Amino acid sequence: EAQVTQNPRYLITVTGKKLTVTCSQNMNHEYMSWYRQDPGLGLRQIYYSMNVEVTDKGDVPEGYKVSRKEKRNFPLILESPSPNQTSLYFCASSLFSRGQGRVNEQFFGPGTRLTVL
Amino acid sequence: QKEVEQNSGPLSVPEGAIASLNCTYSDRGSQSFFWYRQYSGKSPELIMFIYSNGDKEDGRFTAQLNKASQYVSLLIRDSQPSDSATYLCAAKGLTGGGNKLTFGTGTQLKVEL
Repeated sequence: EAQVTQNPRYLITVTGKKLTVTCSQNMNHEYMSWYRQDPGLGLRQIYYSMNVEVTDKGDVPEGYKVSRKEKRNFPLILESPSPNQTSLYFCASSLFSRGQGRVNEQFFGPGTRLTVL
Repeated sequence: QKEVEQNSGPLSVPEGAIASLNCTYSDRGSQSFFWYRQYSGKSPELIMFIYSNGDKEDGRFTAQLNKASQYVSLLIRDSQPSDSATYLCAAKGLTGGGNKLTFGTGTQLKVEL
């Protein structure tokens, strides 16, 4: 089954304790992205990757790191989590091809609900 | 100024009616537009996409795009209680390597029996 998986699904942690949220896709997609979703603010992009070893900042990258060492995996790292990073996080992936008509539908993972105390 | 704007709702419609969801965008470079449905606590799922001016129909759903007015809409015919969800409008432009989606905050739809 084609899917994007995230782990853990739920996490409660304390300020300053490093954590990693994993994301994996089995669709051989080049493009992967992390979003956070907050009430009233919608989905905002944190980081994205267009292929292995190619990553770039989205709209809200502060306090986050990512890596893309393998095509299927795109972990999100919070080196020193703070309460303002409490949010619902989604990983997404898609093909990456240019040109009119290239829709490149993004498929979303199930989400990770993170609480930082 | 938000790049993609939606009325947060809730929009309440009776079962069987047409629900009309609207979205405006500010970036004229946006090339394609997406409607995602999101149930509470779940991940967004794609309903429709559109990139040409006019209407595009898929079952009970019709997406409409007017690039001159920078306006996108989603019509849901014969609304069902199972359509009750938050609908996210997203625009894709040239930023982020040409694959970045910019989302609106979503419109909550309630279909009442």
